[in-house]
Amino acid sequence: KAGVTQTPRYLIKTRGQQVTLSCSPISGHRSVSWYQQTPGQGLQFLFEYFSETQRNKGNFPGRFSGRQFSNSRSEMNVSTLELGDSALYLCASCPGQGSYEQYFGPGTRLTVT
Amino acid sequence: AQTVTQSQPEMSVQEAETVTLSCTYDTSENNYYLFWYKQPPSRQMILVIRQEAYKQQNATENRFSVNFQKAAKSFSLKISDSQLGDTAMYFCAFMKPGSSNTGKLIFGQGTTLQVKP
Repeated sequence: KAGVTQTPRYLIKTRGQQVTLSCSPISGHRSVSWYQQTPGQGLQFLFEYFSETQRNKGNFPGRFSGRQFSNSRSEMNVSTLELGDSALYLCASCPGQGSYEQYFGPGTRLTVT
Repeated sequence: AQTVTQSQPEMSVQEAETVTLSCTYDTSENNYYLFWYKQPPSRQMILVIRQEAYKQQNATENRFSVNFQKAAKSFSLKISDSQLGDTAMYFCAFMKPGSSNTGKLIFGQGTTLQVKP
């Protein structure tokens, strides 16, 4: 099976702009989680989607949002970008329904200038 | 709230030797899952091993094994016969199953392991 894919791999945006990141899970996986990784804060959970529904959300401002499509692909959006949003954004997929192992994509490196 | 602590920011080991990475966690729950993930310089996070809290037997995956001490809330990773490809940052992670915690891994700060030739 193909692994988790994320696009784009690298992104440079300007403060105030918005950005959309995409994640395609492993075939058959219905749960997608998003994480932000920074040197200072480490890995922090953003949100999780299952069957197009957000089931869980981390402690991030409302500028961070996401959605999941019927084919389990997920997108996350960050509006009004701030310099502090520069990070590696990781998406992970999981079969769901009693399985808890998460498999990660390569990440999207977002730089905000 | 659950927390995960990795007290060793950096470690090094000679190729072919054994190294143990430490992890402690804090929870009042009885049912949970623990994981070790590896993140090499390429940044792709790779699942190394997992442990269910209700299982007393320590998990093993080839050269990787864990020492799970539930009462002490300790979950260390032992890497035997270290290889150059083991050089990476290793993260310990905790997950509590349940509707309010779905899909949420809580990570430690990571341990950078360098395997020297």
